[in-house]
Amino acid sequence: DQQVKQNSPSLSVQEGRISILNCDYTNSMFDYFLWYKKYPAEGPTFLISISSIKDKNEDGRFTVFLNKSAKHLSLHIVPSQPGDSAVYFCAAARTGSARQLTFGSGTQLTVLP
Amino acid sequence: EPEVTQTPSHQVTQMGQEVILRCVPISNHLYFYWYRQILGQKVEFLVSFYNNEISEKSEIFDDQFSVERPDGSNFTLKIRSTKLEDSAMYFCASSEFSNQPQHFGDGTRLSIL
Repeated sequence: DQQVKQNSPSLSVQEGRISILNCDYTNSMFDYFLWYKKYPAEGPTFLISISSIKDKNEDGRFTVFLNKSAKHLSLHIVPSQPGDSAVYFCAAARTGSARQLTFGSGTQLTVLP
Repeated sequence: EPEVTQTPSHQVTQMGQEVILRCVPISNHLYFYWYRQILGQKVEFLVSFYNNEISEKSEIFDDQFSVERPDGSNFTLKIRSTKLEDSAMYFCASSEFSNQPQHFGDGTRLSIL
């Protein structure tokens, strides 16, 4: 199942710089997208979401951009902090009675002090 | 902050045995979900539950699986006769409404021997 793809398994960034995590999807029925952060031995923690009627959503240091024509979304973290080091998953869902999430494979972000 | 809690954190079971994984969703949430993540693979949707019935289920969720909300607070996943390939991390999630973000528990690691 390759409906949601995160092509970069890992990313290293210096503290204080911008982290950009990318995600591509193939199913044009997806209309709701989320980013989750996951630490080892914990469940995914919700970070930020965006619906397909928007192309940007911002929450503090986190901004998600959606390019529907390219079927691409990205998560920007600025400034990056060492505590941001985690695996980041993008997930997508389509309108329905209950929104099952389709996850990407994750990107390990390491923020170097 | 309210959270989804899952018990046990680790369950070891002999192949062919029944296992019940337990979850307490966030109290005002109406939608409940189970996902699993086999080691090295993506997080996969199993089932969603609303108004005391299954809303959606994936191909993984066959007759060996069942879900129940026995007492208005717990949400359980039962695997009737476990197989080696059922070994995975199982995550419970809940959301207030279907168009709201899903919040995950820390998971139950199920090991089938």
